Amino acid sequence: KAGVTQTPRYLIKTRGQQVTLSCSPISGHRSVSWYQQTPGQGLQFLFEYFSETQRNKGNFPGRFSGRQFSNSRSEMNVSTLELGDSALYLCASSLEDGPYEQYFGPGTRLTVT
Amino acid sequence: GENVEQHPSTLSVQEGDSAVIKCTYSDSASNYFPWYKQELGKRPQLIIDIRSNVGEKKDQRIAVTLNKTAKHFSLHITETQPEDSAVYFCAAGNEKLTFGTGTRLTIIP
Repeated sequence: KAGVTQTPRYLIKTRGQQVTLSCSPISGHRSVSWYQQTPGQGLQFLFEYFSETQRNKGNFPGRFSGRQFSNSRSEMNVSTLELGDSALYLCASSLEDGPYEQYFGPGTRLTVT
Repeated sequence: GENVEQHPSTLSVQEGDSAVIKCTYSDSASNYFPWYKQELGKRPQLIIDIRSNVGEKKDQRIAVTLNKTAKHFSLHITETQPEDSAVYFCAAGNEKLTFGTGTRLTIIP
């Protein structure tokens, strides 16, 4: 099976802009979780989608949002970008929601200038 | 919410020796404990996991132990090799995962 894919892989944006990142899960996986990875904070949970519904949400401001489509592909959106949003954004897919094995994509490296 | 602490933050081990990384968690409802390995510039890879109804799990040179009473779990790597050099993350959770801050493991040839 093909692994988790993310597009784009690299992105440079300016403060105040918005950005949309995409994640395609492993075929058959219905849950997609998003994480922000920074050198100082490690892997921080953003949110999880299962069957097009947000099931869990981390402690991030409302500028961070997401959605999931009927084919399980997911997008996350960050509006009004801040310098501190520069990070590696990783998505992970799993077969079901809850405590199942999560498989990560390669990530999107977002740089905000 | 869940809080996961991971120690040590860096670890250097002579090739062939064993490495141990420890994590503690706070939420007794957590029932799933995976470990991920992340090499430089690559995605985190699941290397082993354990559920709360099991005390120990082994896969070749890698083993994980779980002490539910003390709320801690550990990763053990035996006969370390240069390719084991990476950052290792523990995680704990039920409906969602909370990750530790990572351990940079360096294997000295």
